[in-house]
Amino acid sequence: DTAVSQTPKYLVTQMGNDKSIKCEQNLGHDTMYWYKQDSKKFLKIMFSYNNKELIINETVPNRFSPKSPDKAHLNLHINSLELGDSAVYFCASSQSTGQGSNEKLFFGSGTQLSVL
Amino acid sequence: KQEVTQIPAALSVPEGENLVLNCSFTDSAIYNLQWFRQDPGKGLTSLLLIQSSQREQTSGRLNASLDKSSGRSTLYIAASQPGDSATYLCAPHRTPLVFGKGTRLSVTA
Repeated sequence: DTAVSQTPKYLVTQMGNDKSIKCEQNLGHDTMYWYKQDSKKFLKIMFSYNNKELIINETVPNRFSPKSPDKAHLNLHINSLELGDSAVYFCASSQSTGQGSNEKLFFGSGTQLSVL
Repeated sequence: KQEVTQIPAALSVPEGENLVLNCSFTDSAIYNLQWFRQDPGKGLTSLLLIQSSQREQTSGRLNASLDKSSGRSTLYIAASQPGDSATYLCAPHRTPLVFGKGTRLSVTA
């Protein structure tokens, strides 16, 4: 069983479209994250949810909207896709928020988004 | 704002060599530091986690050290193998985790 799974693995779409990426974790973790890895392989945090509540929202365009229906799922919806959104998006989870704790992050295998 | 630098950016070694990957970070007020491995087209796999109170952590042929006060960590890989070829990322952890750009390692047979 995959601990953190994201779908789809590849997503090719036209500029201006709206798309969603889904993420599920079966580890019983409280916190989930979305990271973006750009063409230079630089990995940056986008959002973090703890028990369905948003705790981190980095400087991300409001075209990106995370949704957490329960603590095992954190989906990423992107409106009006732009060329610059092309990247690999990684979902991750951890047991708690990480403040003062020593838990590890577990990552999904990524969704490669290509906007044409 | 935390900034993480990893040196070298790329490294190619013959099989069997011992090697050291370096990581430096600007904000030493961290909870822990994690080293990850990323294989092409795959997600990240956590290799080692060093708590802020620890100096080092070992797992098999891997040994990671942490000098929090100077903002440095090293990952030592002993007796490297072709299967070790991957990108290695360090991530000092203060919410959120901040990643370096990684060291791309190639171990040739």
